[in-house]
Amino acid sequence: DVKVTQSSRYLVKRTGEKVFLECVQDMDHENMFWYRQDPGLGLRLIYFSYDVKMKEKGDIPEGYSVSREKKERFSLILESASTNQTSMYLCASSLSLFIQTEAFFGQGTRLTVV
Amino acid sequence: QQQVKQSPQSLIVQKGGISIINCAYENTAFDYFPWYQQFPGKGPALLIAIRPDVSEKKEGRFTISFNKSAKQFSLHIMDSQPGDSATYFCAARREFTGGGNKLTFGTGTQLKVEL
Repeated sequence: DVKVTQSSRYLVKRTGEKVFLECVQDMDHENMFWYRQDPGLGLRLIYFSYDVKMKEKGDIPEGYSVSREKKERFSLILESASTNQTSMYLCASSLSLFIQTEAFFGQGTRLTVV
Repeated sequence: QQQVKQSPQSLIVQKGGISIINCAYENTAFDYFPWYQQFPGKGPALLIAIRPDVSEKKEGRFTISFNKSAKQFSLHIMDSQPGDSATYFCAARREFTGGGNKLTFGTGTQLKVEL
């Protein structure tokens, strides 16, 4: 059974803290993604990676960075958390090689910044 | 700028009725159009998908209709059931040279099917 695992379901952090969100996939997928989900705004892409050590900015990268040191792991970093980064964060992965590739999502991390 | 526009934002349908969700896109580089279903507390999961060279795809009670010239596609849920109550997202995929690809999502439709 394919799996994308996010390290935490719920996180509460203080303003200004450095926050790490971890994601691991066991499907040997090339692509990995970080989205944030907010009511009325849908899923918005923060960053994605199509290979180890490669990263591309998505639609809303400001205030975030990522790291992909190993193929199966993709980390999202909030350098200095702010209250407007309170959101649901979703990690996903997909293959690159075939046209009809499904993106598999983790269960999400609900981050609250106080 | 919303590259994939989805409507309605919410929808209430009676059990046995037809649920219809619409999406429109602008970028002709999109090459794959999936729909995702999300239940509360879960990540989205692929429901059904279509390529732009096909006008319709049906899987059970779920059908995608695709109009390439109008750059629109829609999800139809026939004989809607309370278990279909969820949030639905349309998406469009763009592939990049070098092998990477990314999905752009619509804003979501919260569907409630009432008894």
